[in-house]
Amino acid sequence: ETGVTQTPRHLVMGMTNKKSLKCEQHLGHNAMYWYKQSAKKPLELMFVYNFKEQTENNSVPSRFSPECPNSSHLFLHLHTLQPEDSALYLCASSRQGTTEAFFGQGTRLTVV
Amino acid sequence: GQQVMQIPQYQHVQEGEDFTTYCNSSTTLSNIQWYKQRPGGHPVFLIQLVKSGEVKKQKRLTFQFGEAKKNSSLHITATQTTDVGTYFCATGIDQGGKLIFGQGTELSVKP
Repeated sequence: ETGVTQTPRHLVMGMTNKKSLKCEQHLGHNAMYWYKQSAKKPLELMFVYNFKEQTENNSVPSRFSPECPNSSHLFLHLHTLQPEDSALYLCASSRQGTTEAFFGQGTRLTVV
Repeated sequence: GQQVMQIPQYQHVQEGEDFTTYCNSSTTLSNIQWYKQRPGGHPVFLIQLVKSGEVKKQKRLTFQFGEAKKNSSLHITATQTTDVGTYFCATGIDQGGKLIFGQGTELSVKP
């Protein structure tokens, strides 16, 4: 248990569906991240929030929309995804942007 | 943007052999972190190095940060099957407050 909780753990969605991934941490951290991990590929940084403000959007397509309503919660809203978006989506948090990151267990997303 | 390159991509060893993975950057790094991801799991923080030439040990694991702060290594002595997984280096970027990961080295250990 890392203190970072992601839901759901698994998600299968059609290309026309809209779904949301949720991440929650109660570690008192100020930075939260979304990473994408595809098979046999490295961790790709998608979005960074520092003190609830988005400080990084790593050229992510607009079909992925992040939301950070408060310092403990982070969402990733998904709509009209493509099969190549199937991957493990990992949320992480850290005390500040450059310190030790704690990862959630991830959401395994399959787009059909 | 700043990147860290990690080699090798894969390493297969016999149990009891040593293992080393390397992380390199063309620019000076303010810090380097190492993570381990077990198969089917999520990355777990191992250690952070911030000082030039720093060496830290955790049991059979030795972590080094280069004198120029442009490279780092993780060395495992006498590997065990429990060491199986992917080892990632990462660096924290002050601008934007983010962590950038290397490509990872996947270690398999044959008993």
